[in-house]
Amino acid sequence: DTAVSQTPKYLVTQMGNDKSIKCEQNLGHDTMYWYKQDSKKFLKIMFSYNNKELIINETVPNRFSPKSPDKAHLNLHINSLELGDSAVYFCASSQENSPLHFGNGTRLTVT
Amino acid sequence: QKEVEQDPGPLSVPEGAIVSLNCTYSNSAFQYFMWYRQYSRKGPELLMYTYSSGNKEDGRFTAQVDKSSKYISLFIRDSQPSDSATYLCAMSQTGGGNKLTFGTGTQLKVEL
Repeated sequence: DTAVSQTPKYLVTQMGNDKSIKCEQNLGHDTMYWYKQDSKKFLKIMFSYNNKELIINETVPNRFSPKSPDKAHLNLHINSLELGDSAVYFCASSQENSPLHFGNGTRLTVT
Repeated sequence: QKEVEQDPGPLSVPEGAIVSLNCTYSNSAFQYFMWYRQYSRKGPELLMYTYSSGNKEDGRFTAQVDKSSKYISLFIRDSQPSDSATYLCAMSQTGGGNKLTFGTGTQLKVEL
């Protein structure tokens, strides 16, 4: 079974649209994350949640809104999509101070 | 200057070679050091995890951390074509909410 699963795997949409990416982990971890990987493969943290509470919120436009309905799920909603939002978005989970386990990413293309 | 610097490569080696991958960093508060491997169109998978300075070996992989020089390395012995991937170093500090700071990744190709 996949430990950290994201849907959809690919997302192609037009500028100005609103879209959501879903993430679920079955590892029993307390903390979940969203990372963004740009075209140069650079991975940068966006948000992290611990037991449904937001604990890291990097400098991310407020068009991006994470939501954690329970500790096994962390979704990412993006409003008014822009060309620069095109990237691969990775969900990850961990226990405190333990290594992160990543999903396989959602490849977002904004046209 | 980025907090973590990593040569992007690409690095091409023959099968069986010893590969050395490196990262330097500027934040002396980093205590946890990781190496992730990322295949094309996949998520990063953890290879090695070390705390503070020292060496750690796991099969063909050896991770070294030199905190005094702010320098970490990953060695791959007897490299195989299946090792062809992008290798990302990552690090974090105590109390940082497990926020990882990544290098840009080194693309490795092991050729037959």
